[in-house]
Amino acid sequence: GQNIDQPTEMTATEGAIVQINCTYQTSGFNGLFWYQQHAGEAPTFLSYNVLDGLEEKGRFSSFLSRSKGYSYLLLKELQMKDSASYLCAVRSFHTGGFKTIFGAGTRLFVKA
Amino acid sequence: DTAVSQTPKYLVTQMGNDKSIKCEQNLGHDTMYWYKQDSKKFLKIMFSYNNKELIINETVPNRFSPKSPDKAHLNLHINSLELGDSAVYFCASSQERIPNTGELFFGEGSRLTVL
Repeated sequence: GQNIDQPTEMTATEGAIVQINCTYQTSGFNGLFWYQQHAGEAPTFLSYNVLDGLEEKGRFSSFLSRSKGYSYLLLKELQMKDSASYLCAVRSFHTGGFKTIFGAGTRLFVKA
Repeated sequence: DTAVSQTPKYLVTQMGNDKSIKCEQNLGHDTMYWYKQDSKKFLKIMFSYNNKELIINETVPNRFSPKSPDKAHLNLHINSLELGDSAVYFCASSQERIPNTGELFFGEGSRLTVL
């Protein structure tokens, strides 16, 4: 089966750095995504990793280790607007096409 | 111009009723999805269609019937609504063909409340 684990909640201070971890188990792995979801809104795409290593995109970076089934999202220079849920999602191939499943999300609270 | 649009945004209805949610995407994507996000904010895949063909049905009760008249539209009809159907339903689309990553583009969500 498929399983994705990430912490339920995290709190960090404005201007700091926070790392949100995600571990997963799946067959037919075909990519790991991070999405951001503000309360009452739709998820929006943040990052994508399919090969091992670090992908950097402005204040956000995402890391993947396929052998360990592990990823993290790194947020630098935290801003109040970064308070949101961060969803780890794994895409896998199965008969007929691809399927993307989500972890339960990590609620990040950024305090002044 | 909204990329993925779904209607209605809010639905309040009684148990036992039937309701539909419509979704349209103007991104030219081949694949469309329905996801359900419950009160605990867990986003769960329900269905996936690729070029109008059903490719994923995640053991959803057959009271839920998706329909895709063309690859730009994916509608969701729910019969005999139950209290547990209360949730936010998100439509999404993606382009799966290489070199695309398959990232999902979500609609704004349709909040269904069953009384």
